[in-house]
Amino acid sequence: AQKITQTQPGMFVQEKEAVTLDCTYDTSDPSYGLFWYKQPSSGEMIFLIYQGSYDQQNATEGRYSLNFQKARKSANLVISASQLGDSAMYFCAMREGRGTGANNLFFGTGTRLTVIP
Amino acid sequence: DGGITQSPKYLFRKEGQNVTLSCEQNLNHDAMYWYRQDPGQGLRLIYYSQIVNDFQKGDIAEGYSVSREKKESFPLTVTSAQKNPTAFYLCASSTLGGTSGRGTGELFFGEGSRLTVL
Repeated sequence: AQKITQTQPGMFVQEKEAVTLDCTYDTSDPSYGLFWYKQPSSGEMIFLIYQGSYDQQNATEGRYSLNFQKARKSANLVISASQLGDSAMYFCAMREGRGTGANNLFFGTGTRLTVIP
Repeated sequence: DGGITQSPKYLFRKEGQNVTLSCEQNLNHDAMYWYRQDPGQGLRLIYYSQIVNDFQKGDIAEGYSVSREKKESFPLTVTSAQKNPTAFYLCASSTLGGTSGRGTGELFFGEGSRLTVL
């Protein structure tokens, strides 16, 4: 079974509108971390936001927020007030365990977001 | 500035040739990783290392080899045994445990190397 599932290959959003990118995960480990990365066309991976499995509140970082629904095993990324520079691939990723060693991440297949002027 | 440097950015190889991709970091991170990215797919882990002179296979290690002789360096060799080596390769590093960056254990990535086999 896939550990991370992103069901939206592509999404479009009007500039200044909000958009939600979906991510569901599968793990039996009670300790895990969820990450979102942005990959512009240049190729580098930019870390956006993190949610730990024991965090009580949804994570927020500027215009990014994570809608964490533990019972449903979903960790959707919400981008508010979209900008043209937000056009990129977005990847959801998970680390299983408490992360005492290396932080191996499992990645989803990504969602390509296009912001329309 | 601290970061991860990958070279070369673009590389062409003939079938049957080995090629080595360089990855250097000056973040003083203990752990380093190599991921492969194919079009329409996410990143898949090739190898990772937690300490000098030690490394572990990831999900798709066949046809690849690595070394970790220095903390700062984690080169990846794509051997002729790798049946479909054309891909985008990303190197990353982190501290051990969930302390990288803002205490999340996030991975820091290089800009990638794009390998094309002719």
